[in-house]
Amino acid sequence: EVQLLESGGGLVQPGGSLRLACAASGFSFSTYATSWVRQAPGKGLEWVAAISGAGGRTFYADSVKGRFIISRDNSKDMMYLQMDSLRVEDTAVYHCAKSIRPTVPQGEFDFWGQGTQVTVSS
Amino acid sequence: DIQMTQSPSTLSASVGDRVTITCRASQSISSWLAWYQHKPGKAPKLLIYKASSLQRGVPSRFSGSGSETEFTLTITSLQPDDFATYYCQQYNHFSSMYTFGQGTKLEIK
Repeated sequence: EVQLLESGGGLVQPGGSLRLACAASGFSFSTYATSWVRQAPGKGLEWVAAISGAGGRTFYADSVKGRFIISRDNSKDMMYLQMDSLRVEDTAVYHCAKSIRPTVPQGEFDFWGQGTQVTVSS
Repeated sequence: DIQMTQSPSTLSASVGDRVTITCRASQSISSWLAWYQHKPGKAPKLLIYKASSLQRGVPSRFSGSGSETEFTLTITSLQPDDFATYYCQQYNHFSSMYTFGQGTKLEIK
């Protein structure tokens, strides 16, 4: 059974940092690209960042470029999102999602995690 | 960038109804479109991929159609479990990566 479990969310002040993690199981992790997708309060889904299955290529939404870094450790079946210079508008539930393809942006997201809450507030 | 526009934003319907949600792309995306169902506190669920292909395990009352810039998600004979928010998503375009529509909230009438 495919599972994606996010962790690392919490309350942080504006300008602060947080590192999210996504633990994957039930599939060959390195074979597939993965993404972070967020949902701000009262808003829709917003793609944040993606990484290829091998980890060699990364992509970011303009809203987080230069502040967030996506990475993965295929030996541990883990994906990460390092979030720096956090802003109030980064407050959201962050989901990890698995693509059906190894490359970005090919392929829809066939499995998602339930998400972890990130709140940026003073 | 490719923009995705869904309509309506909110839809009220009753159990047993047939409903249709529309998604329009700002430029042609061929058939690279997916539909997701999302309930509060849950993981989004893939329903349809490549515009009209039903994801394994999804009930056949869900169907998708369209190509280029105009797409629809149809749910026939609504069930209580279907009341949720639905999103379209384009993919496969390096210029815009992955773009979601703003969502359609399906409510019980």
